Amino acid sequence: EAGVTQFPSHSVIEKGQTVTLRCDPISGHDNLYWYRRVMGKEIKFLLHFVKESKQDESGMPNNRFLAERTGGTYSTLKVQPAELEDSGVYFCASSQSPGLFSYEQYFGPGTRLTVT
Amino acid sequence: AQSVTQPDIHITVSEGASLELRCNYSYGATPYLFWYVQSPGQGLQLLLKYFSGDTLVQGIKGFEAEFKRSQSSFNLRKPSVHWSDAAEYFCAVGWLRDDKIIFGKGTRLHILP
Repeated sequence: EAGVTQFPSHSVIEKGQTVTLRCDPISGHDNLYWYRRVMGKEIKFLLHFVKESKQDESGMPNNRFLAERTGGTYSTLKVQPAELEDSGVYFCASSQSPGLFSYEQYFGPGTRLTVT
Repeated sequence: AQSVTQPDIHITVSEGASLELRCNYSYGATPYLFWYVQSPGQGLQLLLKYFSGDTLVQGIKGFEAEFKRSQSSFNLRKPSVHWSDAAEYFCAVGWLRDDKIIFGKGTRLHILP
């Protein structure tokens, strides 16, 4: 069974440009999460989808970030326009049940975003 | 506010030595506790988790952790480390009715040959 995949693995863009990150969860996982780790800081929650619906987006830093989950399958996270402080590693995770604590979250390898 | 503290940013141990990575959390209710590891170029891998029951939890790769409610701690241990254990370790906490996980800042483990 394939794990959580993320694309690209690394992206380097200039300030003001747009970047779209993609996450493919494990097949059958209704729950999809985005997290971000800015250098030197802790990994922070961004948002949580249940199928195609946003369950919790309390961690989204500002309106330059837009997350979508088309048809409840893969998800994209768009940053437009990118700022220097958006640099970091963006992790995606998925889990099987609506309740976190029945099933663990499986994490992808992350996308390293560098804004110059 | 809910928080997770990993006081050691870097730890260096010799191969074959024992290891303990510290983790403390702040919040009144009983949390759900996790340790994740990230090896270079890899995603986060779950080492072990505690939801309830026996406070000493066994995980993969020979790791264990002990939940101590009185100390609000969930320290990770391994009796004898291997060079392949060099990685970054994250303690994480979750609470009922809140699906997000809160992570500590991580501890990077270095192994001396």
